[in-house]
Amino acid sequence: AQSVSQHNHHVILSEAASLELGCNYSYGGTVNLFWYVQYPGQHLQLLLKYFSGDPLVKGIKGFEAEFIKSKFSFNLRKPSVQWSDTAEYFCAVTLGDSWGKLQFGAGTQVVVTP
Amino acid sequence: DAGVIQSPRHEVTEMGQEVTLRCKPISGHDYLFWYRQTMMRGLELLIYFNNNVPIDDSGMPEDRFSAKMPNASFSTLKIQPSEPRDSAVYFCASSGGGRASYEQYFGPGTRLTVT
Repeated sequence: AQSVSQHNHHVILSEAASLELGCNYSYGGTVNLFWYVQYPGQHLQLLLKYFSGDPLVKGIKGFEAEFIKSKFSFNLRKPSVQWSDTAEYFCAVTLGDSWGKLQFGAGTQVVVTP
Repeated sequence: DAGVIQSPRHEVTEMGQEVTLRCKPISGHDYLFWYRQTMMRGLELLIYFNNNVPIDDSGMPEDRFSAKMPNASFSTLKIQPSEPRDSAVYFCASSGGGRASYEQYFGPGTRLTVT
């Protein structure tokens, strides 16, 4: 069965610090990878997505993620966070031929302190 | 576009009562998804529709849950009878066809509390 693991459940960091959130999936076939963000009290929004091609994906708000197939990973990064990046971040996966079934990780709560 | 619209935003009900959650997808989107979010289980896909037809309901927890999509602009998720363990945030999402279907747009959610 496919599963998605997010390494950290809770991250606290200061403004201007760099952020990296880990995401691993367990499936050997073709996958489509996503990072969603949920700001406090808001709905989920897509940060970035990977289907194929360049494994380094740029998203909105300065986020990027790198797909490393050999490590089954899709880690999210941001070089310098802001207070407004405080949110919960979800990694999600669909299989190549089963796109409708987004499987989410448990989420990582990120708190950025001023 | 107004995005995915869900109602109500908050629902408090007593155990045993029927609860109906509503969703209006983004106009032109032909896929609709229902998710449930809890602290214990995270985000779970309950069911999804394509062109108003249920495609996969394997995530629906039990027979107390049912979902319908009578037309392209409206879907309901019903719980009858409700139980305290159904307390959660229920999200509706929609997406368009083709490659764009991989990107799902989420509604604001309905926070359900069953006492």
